[in-house]
Formats: sequence, structure tokens, C-alpha cells
Amino acid sequence: QKEVEQDPGPLSVPEGAIVSLNCTYSNSAFQYFMWYRQYSRKGPELLMYTYSSGNKEDGRFTAQVDKSSKYISLFIRDSQPSDSATYLCATFTSGFQKLVFGTGTRLLVSP
Amino acid sequence: DAGVIQSPRHEVTEMGQEVTLRCKPISGHDYLFWYRQTMMRGLELLIYFNNNVPIDDSGMPEDRFSAKMPNASFSTLKIQPSEPRDSAVYFCASSLALGGQPQHFGDGTRLSIL
Repeated sequence: QKEVEQDPGPLSVPEGAIVSLNCTYSNSAFQYFMWYRQYSRKGPELLMYTYSSGNKEDGRFTAQVDKSSKYISLFIRDSQPSDSATYLCATFTSGFQKLVFGTGTRLLVSP
Repeated sequence: DAGVIQSPRHEVTEMGQEVTLRCKPISGHDYLFWYRQTMMRGLELLIYFNNNVPIDDSGMPEDRFSAKMPNASFSTLKIQPSEPRDSAVYFCASSLALGGQPQHFGDGTRLSIL
């Protein structure tokens, strides 16, 4: 079993829709959670970073962590065609050995 | 500010040849990471350096892979001899610190071994 699981998609939505991207993880020692966005033929870039359970908001993006169910989510409001990319969740332990990535979910937002 | 710079962007070579991938991290970043990305396995950490010293190379798949960081502004990842299953996108990333600091990625080297 992979340490971090993500549905690969693609997830296709119309412009303006609310998008929900999800990850599950298996190791309860994971403490820190990140979402990276990766455009085609580019490197990943950090989008959101959160530590505790609950919600963290940044503009149109909200990251949600539920440590009791080992479930993390990224919500995108008023989605735009420019949001079309692959979204990777990532996590690491408090004793940081390495950043563990999900395989990514490809999002397509059509005009 | 210049980001992480990788070269070459694309490399196509025949099985058995030596491949060298290059990376220039962001100035002032003490940590450098090499990742490999494939459709099946996603993004996997191969090795990381702190202040030019290799800290964890447990992700390096085989002895055919080696990485060096001779100074703070340059690192190489070498595959010798290369095999078709090494075909992937290889990313270099750098960060100020571990943990909460973001890792800044280059645009990768797309490697194809024929």
C-alpha cells in the first residue's frame, strides 16, 4: 500500500465550479501536509501548507486536514482554466526524513 | 530571482550510455534534493544533500545511480550504464531548511533511454 493515495483523474469541471481534490495517508506519524501544483512540463510549486487538523484558506484555495480519518482535501472555489494542472499532496513526519508525495490528480477546467 | 536551473531539459540516449543530469540550486539554499517522477510511481526522492554533504541516499535505486555536489551551486546525478527503465522526468529541488520550508523545483530533465 502506498503511503499517500490520490485518485489520478483526470477531473474535468466547467469554469466557475467548486473543485474538491483528496488524498488519504496511512501513517499516523505524518504531521505536516502540503499541496503542490504542477503545470505540464514544469516542476511542482508549493500551493498550500498546513500542520493542524481543520481548514486553512488562501484566496480561492482551502486546505482541509482530518487527522482522525487520515484524509486531506484541497478545495478550489470559482475554478479557472488557469487552474488546469496536476495537484500533488505531500506529507512528512515531525522528525522529517523525506517528503512523501501522492501520485497527483490531473484537473481540467474548461471555459 | 533565478529559480532552480536544470540541464539538459531533454535527453534521449541509447541503453548502456552514461547520462549526466545537472542542477544549479537557488543561491543560499542549504538543501538540495533529486527526485524522479513516473506515471506509475509518482514523485520519488532519490537523494538529498545538506551543505553539499549527502544525507540520505536510500532512494537511489541501484549502484548505477550516483550523485555529487562539489560545491553549493552545482550538483550532478549520473546514471551509468543507463537502462530503458530509467526513463522518467528527473527533478532537482532546493530549500532553505527541512520541514516547513517549501522545496523549490526546477523544470526537470525528461530522460528517454532507448
